[in-house]
Amino acid sequence: SQKIEQNSEALNIQEGKTATLTCNYTNYSPAYLQWYRQDPGRGPVFLLLIRENEKEKRKERLKVTFDTTLKQSLFHITASQPADSATYLCALDPVGGSASKIIFGSGTRLSIRP
Amino acid sequence: GAGVSQSPSNKVTEKGKDVELRCDPISGHTALYWYRQRLGQGLEFLIYFQGNSAPDKSGLPSDRFSAERTGESVSTLTIQRTQQEDSAVYLCASSPVGASSSTDTQYFGPGTRLTVL
Repeated sequence: SQKIEQNSEALNIQEGKTATLTCNYTNYSPAYLQWYRQDPGRGPVFLLLIRENEKEKRKERLKVTFDTTLKQSLFHITASQPADSATYLCALDPVGGSASKIIFGSGTRLSIRP
Repeated sequence: GAGVSQSPSNKVTEKGKDVELRCDPISGHTALYWYRQRLGQGLEFLIYFQGNSAPDKSGLPSDRFSAERTGESVSTLTIQRTQQEDSAVYLCASSPVGASSSTDTQYFGPGTRLTVL
């Protein structure tokens, strides 16, 4: 069956450390993968997009990797801060190259303690 | 407006009643999406509009759910004869281009929290 898996358990990280979140998928061949941040009571906010031919993408303290062989994306936040605490969602285009339907994972809740 | 807006922000209704949820996308955005998010769950795709047409309705869970979009702007999601399992946050998103761009980014509204008693 097709699915996207993110660690359902909350991730607790000490401030200043690097937080790493995982997104695994099966039976999809996405052309790209996206990461979103969602705060309580709000809609998701787009953070980064990585294409299938890109191994790594960076934006400020954020880094995303995409391994199409392992069918996995890793999302890193370096020098984490309490303000980074939120739920992080990965999403992909299930049929490759189409934006008409994006499939979201259930998200991982990240908590950064001072 | 500056972003996607949705109304109402909260809706409490009785089982069996009909509800209408509204989405105002970012001006000029061609594509519009509706999602459902149950408590602690991921986003569940419902329907996608390209302009005023809906090329993908595959996510609508039953014939009690319908949506329309007019003037390539406002969209309404209607749920008829609501059931308790319809309780969720309903999120709307818009994007500039839609399916013609494989990497189009979606901009989300704050959602409508629907509670069916």
